[in-house]
Amino acid sequence: DAGVTQSPTHLIKTRGQQVTLRCSPKSGHDTVSWYQQALGQGPQFIFQYYEEEERQRGNFPDRFSGHQFPNYSSELNVNALLLGDSALYLCASSPGWGQGKTYEQYFGPGTRLTVT
Amino acid sequence: AQTVTQSQPEMSVQEAETVTLSCTYDTSESDYYLFWYKQPPSRQMILVIRQEAYKQQNATENRFSVNFQKAAKSFSLKISDSQLGDAAMYFCAYRRSQGAGSYQLTFGKGTKLSVIP
Repeated sequence: DAGVTQSPTHLIKTRGQQVTLRCSPKSGHDTVSWYQQALGQGPQFIFQYYEEEERQRGNFPDRFSGHQFPNYSSELNVNALLLGDSALYLCASSPGWGQGKTYEQYFGPGTRLTVT
Repeated sequence: AQTVTQSQPEMSVQEAETVTLSCTYDTSESDYYLFWYKQPPSRQMILVIRQEAYKQQNATENRFSVNFQKAAKSFSLKISDSQLGDAAMYFCAYRRSQGAGSYQLTFGKGTKLSVIP
């Protein structure tokens, strides 16, 4: 049973560019959340997708957008990259809304984004 | 807004000894979940233990146990018989049980645990 997978592992971009990160949830999970983890900090919630819609959003600008596909996989897009966007981006999946045991999120290994 | 505070940036423990990591949180909710996650150098966040706020009994998972003090809003993690593989960053996290924001985890800044052979 594959866990949460993310691609790519590492990414280097230049300021002003756009980036797309990808996530495949754990088998049987249909809800995907994205977190940003700056160096030396705890992860911060970006947003969550369920049934191909953004359901909740943290305190992040509109430059951060996402998408969820019918197979539950998800993308995180960041436009107009800033140096401060350099971080580890974590994807987490969980069983969906209204299914009872939704309190456990399984995390992927993350994508390390460096903006130069 | 909920906040989670981990006041110990770094801790160390001798192998086979016991160590306790501290966490406090602030919330106006009465029902919520608390978690401890472990993040080794491989970066993968691994759930160590969870606690439902409505349960008075402290959660235990093998060598890991918590001391949950709801009134004091304190949630500490005790690791017994520490092993070299326990070395990692440990994050305390909070989640509301329902309503807006109930699916997002709020994390502390973490405690780096070193295990001395």
